[in-house]
This record gives sequence, C-alpha cells and structure tokens, in this order.
Amino acid sequence: KAGVTQTPRYLIKTRGQQVTLSCSPISGHRSVSWYQQTPGQGLQFLFEYFSETQRNKGNFPGRFSGRQFSNSRSEMNVSTLELGDSALYLCASSLEGETDTQYFGPGTRLTVL
Amino acid sequence: GENVEQHPSTLSVQEGDSAVIKCTYSDSASNYFPWYKQELGKRPQLIIDIRSNVGEKKDQRIAVTLNKTAKHFSLHITETQPEDSAVYFCAAYGNFNKFYFGSGTKLNVKP
Repeated sequence: KAGVTQTPRYLIKTRGQQVTLSCSPISGHRSVSWYQQTPGQGLQFLFEYFSETQRNKGNFPGRFSGRQFSNSRSEMNVSTLELGDSALYLCASSLEGETDTQYFGPGTRLTVL
Repeated sequence: GENVEQHPSTLSVQEGDSAVIKCTYSDSASNYFPWYKQELGKRPQLIIDIRSNVGEKKDQRIAVTLNKTAKHFSLHITETQPEDSAVYFCAAYGNFNKFYFGSGTKLNVKP
C-alpha cells in the first residue's frame, strides 16, 4: 500500500495570508489526525477527523481548521498566518483512530515571513 | 488534560551500549503508549507500543516497560548501533481521546 502523502512539502507565506495543506491517508484508513511540530513545543495535536467529522480537537485557536472528504483525504487551513505558525505540519492516518497504529506523512514545512 | 514528560532531552552513548529513555504521564486513564523514532528530515515511525494491561514488551533490541502505579514507561535499546541515532518520542493515549507526546529525546550513538 502507498503510504500517507502530504502536499505541498514546503510553503513560504507572509503574515496575514492563509494556507491550505492536504493529506491523503493510506487506503482504507478512515481516521486522519493533524499535528504541529516545532523545536520548542514538540508534537502537538491539532485535530482528528473520522468519517468526515471532527472527532477531537486540540488547544489551538480557531484560525486552525480542517475538513475531511468522503474518500478520507483531509485538508487543514490556517487563516491570518502569524510568525509563530512556522512549523512542520504532520498528518497521521489510522484505520479507525483511537489506539490504532498511526502512520505519519512526510509533513509540510510552513515558513511564515 | 494529559501531561507527558520525557527525559533525557539528549542522550549520547557508545556503540554497543544500552540506552534508556523515560516518560511519565499524569492521566491514570491513559491506556496506550507508543514510541516513535524520527530520523533527521523524515517522518516519525512507530517502533514499539504497549497497552496498559501489559507490563513489558520486547522486539529484538527494543523493549518497553510500563509501570501503571508510578505512571511511567521507558524505552530500552540494547546493543545500540549508529543507525539508532534519531529523535525518539513517547506518547500516551487515554481519557481525552487524544495522543499527547513527550518533548523528544535526541539519541546519538557514537561509533
């Protein structure tokens, strides 16, 4: 099976802009989670989608949002970008979520100038 | 919410030695504890996991132990090799239906 893929791999944006990141899970996986990885904060949970519904949410402001499509592909959107949003954004897919094994994508490196 | 602390933040060992990384968690309802390895510029990959009904699990040179009473779990790597050099993350999943990650340990295995 093909692994989790994320596009784009690199993005450079300026403050105030918005950005959309995409994640394609492993075929058959219905749960997609998003994480922000920064050197200072480590891996922080953003949200999880299952069957097109947001099932869980982390402690991030409303500027961070996401959605999942019927084919389980997921997108996350960040509006009104801030310098502190610069990070590696990782998505992970699993069969049903919860304690199923998570498989991570390669990440999207977002730089906000 | 859950709080996962991981120590040490960096660990340097000689090839062939053992390495131990420890994590503590705060939520007694946490029931699943995976460990991930992330090589430089690559995605995190699951290397071993343990559930709360098991005290120890081994996979070749890697083992994980869990002490539910003390709320801590540890990763043990024996006979370390240079290719073990990476950042290792622990995580806990429990009552809040989310994964909480430790801050990571950078392991350097010197040849």
